[in-house]
Amino acid sequence: AQKITQTQPGMFVQEKEAVTLDCTYDTSDQSYGLFWYKQPSSGEMIFLIYQGSYDEQNATEGRYSLNFQKARKSANLVISASQLGDSAMYFCAMREGGSNFGNEKLTFGTGTRLTIIP
Amino acid sequence: DAGVIQSPRHEVTEMGQEVTLRCKPISGHDYLFWYRQTMMRGLELLIYFNNNVPIDDSGMPEDRFSAKMPNASFSTLKIQPSEPRDSAVYFCASMLGRGNQPQHFGDGTRLSIL
Repeated sequence: AQKITQTQPGMFVQEKEAVTLDCTYDTSDQSYGLFWYKQPSSGEMIFLIYQGSYDEQNATEGRYSLNFQKARKSANLVISASQLGDSAMYFCAMREGGSNFGNEKLTFGTGTRLTIIP
Repeated sequence: DAGVIQSPRHEVTEMGQEVTLRCKPISGHDYLFWYRQTMMRGLELLIYFNNNVPIDDSGMPEDRFSAKMPNASFSTLKIQPSEPRDSAVYFCASMLGRGNQPQHFGDGTRLSIL
């Protein structure tokens, strides 16, 4: 089974609208972390936001927020007031493990290509 | 602060040649990761180091691939001999192993094997 599933291969969104990128995960660990990365067409991987499995509040970083629903094992990325510069591939990733993790590997989803339309 | 630095940014070489990719992690980071990204397989972890020691190399495709980290500020990924199917973007990432720190990626090396 896929550990990280991103079901939207591509999305088109009007500039200034909010967008939600879906991510579901599969783990039997109680302690894990979820990450979102952005990869623009230039190719670099940019860290956006992190959510820990024990965090009670949804993570937020500027225009990015993470809609974390633990029971549903989903960690959707929400981008508010989208901008043209948000056009990129977005990857969801998970790190599994016990306290202090101990296993630092990240498993990535297949990504969602987001295109912002002016 | 300087990020993760990879070199070269692009490499084109002929099948059978030795290829060496280089990475300088962020100063103070104690974890270093090598990834490969292709259209078919997405982002795959090849190997990672903690304090210069290889921890998990289960993602290394075969014996043609080797990675070293002789000191805290330098790592290499070597392919010998190279094959066309090794063509991919290779990323190096580093991380501070405290709490819930993210991995910080370099800009990648785009490798083409002809």
